[in-house]
Amino acid sequence: KQEVTQIPAALSVPEGENLVLNCSFTDSAIYNLQWFRQDPGKGLTSLLLIQSSQREQTSGRLNASLDKSSGRSTLYIAASQPGDSATYLCAVNTNAGKSTFGDGTTLTVKP
Amino acid sequence: DAMVIQNPRYQVTQFGKPVTLSCSQTLNHNVMYWYQQKSSQAPKLLFHYYDKDFNNEADTPDNFQSRRPNTSFCFLDIRSPGLGDAAMYLCATSKNSPDKTQYFGPGTRLLVL
Repeated sequence: KQEVTQIPAALSVPEGENLVLNCSFTDSAIYNLQWFRQDPGKGLTSLLLIQSSQREQTSGRLNASLDKSSGRSTLYIAASQPGDSATYLCAVNTNAGKSTFGDGTTLTVKP
Repeated sequence: DAMVIQNPRYQVTQFGKPVTLSCSQTLNHNVMYWYQQKSSQAPKLLFHYYDKDFNNEADTPDNFQSRRPNTSFCFLDIRSPGLGDAAMYLCATSKNSPDKTQYFGPGTRLLVL
C-alpha cells in the first residue's frame, strides 16, 4: 500500500526566503506526482505535475524535482511571498488512476 | 473558462437523512474522482470513473454511492450520513492519458447535525 509523507507538517519563514518542501513515498511504481496548493476552506490548485520519467518541472518561482528510485520529491519555492501562505500537498498517482495524498505542509510566509 | 463546478458549496443535513452532492465539468475529461477531506488531513479517494466504468476504493463505506449519468456530471450520494461523514468533499477530473493532471473543483463542505 502506497504511503505518502510530507515533512515538515508546518513551516514559517520570513518573506523573501527560499524554501524546500519534502514529499516521500514508499512505492516507486508511480505514473506521476503532482503538487497542489490548498487555501483554507478551498479546493486544490494544481501547481506542477512530474511524469515518472522526468526529473524536474519548473513554473515561475516553483521547481519540483522527482527521484523515483529513492521515493522522494521536493518543491522549491524561490523568494517566498506572503501570498504563498497555504497548505501544499503532494499526490502520487498510479497508471490505474489511484491517487494517494500526503497530509500536506502548511506554509506561513511572514511579511 | 473550462472548469470543475461543485454545488452546493456548503450543505447541511441531518443525521441519517440522505444527501446528494453534485459535480460538473466543462473540460470534457473522461475521468472523474470523488475525495473526502477531513480537517487537516489528506484528501482520501472514495471512487473514480473512467468514462462509465466505476472504480470503488476498497475501504470506501457502502454508505457512499456515486452516479455518472454522462461525461459532464457526477454525483456523490450519502445514503445515511453520520456525524463522522462531516467533511469537505472534493471532485476532480483528468484525462485518461498521457497527462492525467487532476483538476479540482472548489469542494462542498458537508455538515451533519
